[in-house]
Amino acid sequence: AQTVTQSQPEMSVQEAETVTLSCTYDTSESDYYLFWYKQPPSRQMILVIRQEAYKQQNATENRFSVNFQKAAKSFSLKISDSQLGDAAMYFCAYRSPYGGATNKLIFGTGTLLAVQP
Amino acid sequence: DAGVIQSPRHEVTEMGQEVTLRCKPISGHNSLFWYRQTMMRGLELLIYFNNNVPIDDSGMPEDRFSAKMPNASFSTLKIQPSEPRDSAVYFCASSLSGGSDTQYFGPGTRLTVL
Repeated sequence: AQTVTQSQPEMSVQEAETVTLSCTYDTSESDYYLFWYKQPPSRQMILVIRQEAYKQQNATENRFSVNFQKAAKSFSLKISDSQLGDAAMYFCAYRSPYGGATNKLIFGTGTLLAVQP
Repeated sequence: DAGVIQSPRHEVTEMGQEVTLRCKPISGHNSLFWYRQTMMRGLELLIYFNNNVPIDDSGMPEDRFSAKMPNASFSTLKIQPSEPRDSAVYFCASSLSGGSDTQYFGPGTRLTVL
């Protein structure tokens, strides 16, 4: 069974600085999808970024980028130029590509990010 | 486009009462997911529908929980009878298909069972 581990329960960053959130996963599949979701105090789950395992190029979305290391099974999220609105819980998630009963997202336990003004 | 719509946003009920949570997926999406978020267990899938048919309900905790999807634009999650340990945030999510597509989440329903 696949597992996702986020080893940093809490992180803090100064406004305008850069922070990296860690995520590791365990799987025997060669193809899969990885996601970072943001959950602000409103509790809405917001997709931040998505990475397909077959793509070697790291995904980027504006100030958000990932460092995907397939061999190491590592998927970290880098937030550049941190803003107060980035303060939230961040979840790393894994998903098998095969559909059917394996279609669920498997979430890590989350990292609570605080942004200091 | 409207996102996933859930109602109610908050529900407070007493132990033993029936609770019904509702979800309207994004138009055109044919996969729907119910997740539950608790402090103890984090985010976990309860049930997944594809084309209105339940595909995986292995996460449904027990017979007190049931879910239906009578059509492509509506799903319900029912708890009967409710218990205090059911207190959680329940999310509905939808995606275009069951394969590679991203799941988009609704705002969640915070359920408190007294």
